[in-house]
Amino acid sequence: RKEVEQDPGPFNVPEGATVAFNCTYSNSASQSFFWYRQDCRKEPKLLMSVYSSGNEDGRFTAQLNRASQYISLLIRDSKLSDSATYLCVVSASGNTPLVFGKGTRLSVIA
Amino acid sequence: NAGVMQNPRHLVRRRGQEARLRCSPMKGHSHVYWYRQLPEEGLKFMVYLQKENIIDESGMPKERFSAEFPKEGPSILRIQQVVRGDSAAYFCASSPPRGNQETQYFGPGTRLLVL
Repeated sequence: RKEVEQDPGPFNVPEGATVAFNCTYSNSASQSFFWYRQDCRKEPKLLMSVYSSGNEDGRFTAQLNRASQYISLLIRDSKLSDSATYLCVVSASGNTPLVFGKGTRLSVIA
Repeated sequence: NAGVMQNPRHLVRRRGQEARLRCSPMKGHSHVYWYRQLPEEGLKFMVYLQKENIIDESGMPKERFSAEFPKEGPSILRIQQVVRGDSAAYFCASSPPRGNQETQYFGPGTRLLVL
């Protein structure tokens, strides 16, 4: 079983749509959770950290379910500029290596 | 405040040559991580270093690969006798010593092509 699993997509959605990505992780000792965004041939950039209480940043909402070892990302009112690969990332604790999923590719279409 | 810097951005080597990849962390960051991304794959951890110390090299191939982070200067990832399978994007990330312990900031990567 892979440590972090994501649906690779692609998700092709029209502008303005709401899209949700899911991710599961296998290491129950994981303590830190993130969504990163990676544009084609670029480096990953932190989109948001994920907390058990859930957190929202503008059009983006992330949720964590520790019991199910499940992380989600919701994007509302999709923009063309949201087109990218979204990486689900976990780590055991601070200052430890990150474990990446393979990513979910999103294409927002005009 | 400059971000994480990596050079070269692109590197072409023939099989059997050596590749040296450099990473300068963000100012004030003392933790450096190297990750490798093979084509159409996710990033995989290779090695975690602090100044003059290797903290975790569990993701590093046992042969041909080495890394260092000297007291002065950038972190270096060295690949000896490169093979075609080493072709990948190599990303360096850095993080501060404590406080905002979780966030790792990535450099633009070095794309290695082995002919």
